[in-house]
Amino acid sequence: NAGVTQTPKFRVLKTGQSMTLLCAQDMNHEYMYWYRQDPGMGLRLIHYSVGEGTTAKGEVPDGYNVSRLKKQNFLLGLESAAPSQTSVYFCASSFRNTEAFFGQGTRLTVV
Amino acid sequence: GQQLNQSPQSMFIQEGEDVSMNCTSSSIFNTWLWYKQDPGEGPVLLIALYKAGELTSNGRLTAQFGITRKDSFLNISASIPSDVGIYFCAGQLGAGGTSYGKLTFGQGTILTVHP
Repeated sequence: NAGVTQTPKFRVLKTGQSMTLLCAQDMNHEYMYWYRQDPGMGLRLIHYSVGEGTTAKGEVPDGYNVSRLKKQNFLLGLESAAPSQTSVYFCASSFRNTEAFFGQGTRLTVV
Repeated sequence: GQQLNQSPQSMFIQEGEDVSMNCTSSSIFNTWLWYKQDPGEGPVLLIALYKAGELTSNGRLTAQFGITRKDSFLNISASIPSDVGIYFCAGQLGAGGTSYGKLTFGQGTILTVHP
């Protein structure tokens, strides 16, 4: 009963490097989300998707790209990492306007 | 875009006390959700509300979807040490509009319970 799985769980990047965070859900959910969580800032929406092949910008999309090629996967890409992107990243999924389920998070440090 | 204002930002209470926190929005939401986050973990859903005026309980937790659809509150009765954590409200728009499907979170309420 996996639910929402994020990989990797931890990562350290050098400034300018690129990486992709993978989110996979096995609940056949239509909606998927990527959030970042910073101390005192709560959860801020980066990008989201309301269905396979569709993506939309959230509150803080700059510096990130996403893709939803398969319904069960939502990828978050950082093309050129910056120290300001040091954060904990959470993926979530839901059926339309219903409760969202979260992954365990990815702790990313950019040095 | 819409904003969610959650209050209070933090609470320090004694075990056994009741707790109340709320969220207000500048926009109408069709769904209100309340989550709890423990350290090092992802948020876990506590209560989901889908209808204006709805009052829903989950054990010692009670949440309400405001009549105006712009607010919600969460009450915790007879708090215990394991209630410690960060509580988040979240709202989701319904059909129509450019933000359809977008789930927006409040800033969180940090709850500390002293034994």
